[in-house]
Amino acid sequence: GQQVMQIPQYQHVQEGEDFTTYCNSSTTLSNIQWYKQRPGGHPVFLIQLVKSGEVKKQKRLTFQFGEAKKNSSLHITATQTTDVGTYFCAGLRTDSWGKLQFGAGTQVVVTP
Amino acid sequence: GAVVSQHPSRVICKSGTSVKIECRSLDFQATTMFWYRQFPKQSLMLMATSNEGSKATYEQGVEKDKFLINHASLTLSTLTVTSAHPEDSSFYICSAARGSSYNEQFFGPGTRLTVL
Repeated sequence: GQQVMQIPQYQHVQEGEDFTTYCNSSTTLSNIQWYKQRPGGHPVFLIQLVKSGEVKKQKRLTFQFGEAKKNSSLHITATQTTDVGTYFCAGLRTDSWGKLQFGAGTQVVVTP
Repeated sequence: GAVVSQHPSRVICKSGTSVKIECRSLDFQATTMFWYRQFPKQSLMLMATSNEGSKATYEQGVEKDKFLINHASLTLSTLTVTSAHPEDSSFYICSAARGSSYNEQFFGPGTRLTVL
């Protein structure tokens, strides 16, 4: 079945540094979404990418969708302590409407 | 807007009992809601898709007789864990899709179930 792989699983970052988390799907996706889950909280929608090669920015966050619509990345610049949490990518399945296939998530720890 | 609530937020029950979890879209109508399960330090796993006015569709490996889903209205879906066992202890999260595109889902705060 369709799988979404996400790496790295853990990311320890010094405050002020940049980091990237990557997502790869075994099949072409309708779109890809990114969520952030703070410790003890629930996933919060960050962004959705639909078009091949699409790039979107939200302040210090840059999201990319690959040309083949199979991979995506989230790059965070100048990491802050508020960036702590787990970032999930979720691919919208092409076979059944609305079903999100979540990646394993990247748990981000920021060291002051 | 687009707020989803879940009740209860936390429940502890004895093995063999049934537990009902409610998911409500507070300020929008949700024809479709989704139920996920998240084990500690793991990702969200889709359990089932709840459609208003029709039977839920379950993902492979999810027992429909154990996890009963009812979507009685456009703002409410319920998940009942029947005859709960310790291995059912988990974080259960619902999401509601707004509009017809299902592109953006709004997640509830989750329900932490502990079965003793």
